[in-house]
Amino acid sequence: EPEVTQTPSHQVTQMGQEVILRCVPISNHLYFYWYRQILGQKVEFLVSFYNNEISEKSEIFDDQFSVERPDGSNFTLKIRSTKLEDSAMYFCASSEVWAANNSPLHFGNGTRLTVT
Amino acid sequence: AQTVTQSQPEMSVQEAETVTLSCTYDTSESDYYLFWYKQPPSRQMILVIRQEAYKQQNATENRFSVNFQKAAKSFSLKISDSQLGDAAMYFCAYRSAGWSSARQLTFGSGTQLTVLP
Repeated sequence: EPEVTQTPSHQVTQMGQEVILRCVPISNHLYFYWYRQILGQKVEFLVSFYNNEISEKSEIFDDQFSVERPDGSNFTLKIRSTKLEDSAMYFCASSEVWAANNSPLHFGNGTRLTVT
Repeated sequence: AQTVTQSQPEMSVQEAETVTLSCTYDTSESDYYLFWYKQPPSRQMILVIRQEAYKQQNATENRFSVNFQKAAKSFSLKISDSQLGDAAMYFCAYRSAGWSSARQLTFGSGTQLTVLP
């Protein structure tokens, strides 16, 4: 069964550094998402992406964050200047065609980001 | 804005027994989707079961079934014949159904399920 893959599985970075989290969504999916989960807390929506542009974003997704689909397969989340509070598990997800509103999100295994 | 509440931070069940995880939600919408996701220690989020709000029939998926009470805004998950591999964090999630509505999932805080041998 096709999977969403995320790399790296664990990223350690120093405060103020830029970090890029990478995701390869399922190939025939059209919607892409980033979620994050701070340890012990809820999974929170960050951003959704469709047709090469952001379709929705949460208040968490401020100017420090950006997303990009640089080629036909990768979907990246960039944090420009990391803060301690950015430490979390970041999940990438993808879903199928627009018409199927109940198409489930398929999640990757997550990238654990630790900001020191 | 929609909210999802899981009032049981932790639950335990004996292997082969049945357990029910609770979820309530708050919404003013009439059409939406509800999901249960499982997060084992590997941290991957795995879809367990989904329910369309317009369907009266409760969804079932093998040993997993839901009790969807639309008027009460309740969406509980029943796991029958619990297995050790069912041990995980379980998240209830809500998603709007309208074409112009937000397509993201709103998650509850999760219930950590322990299966006792």
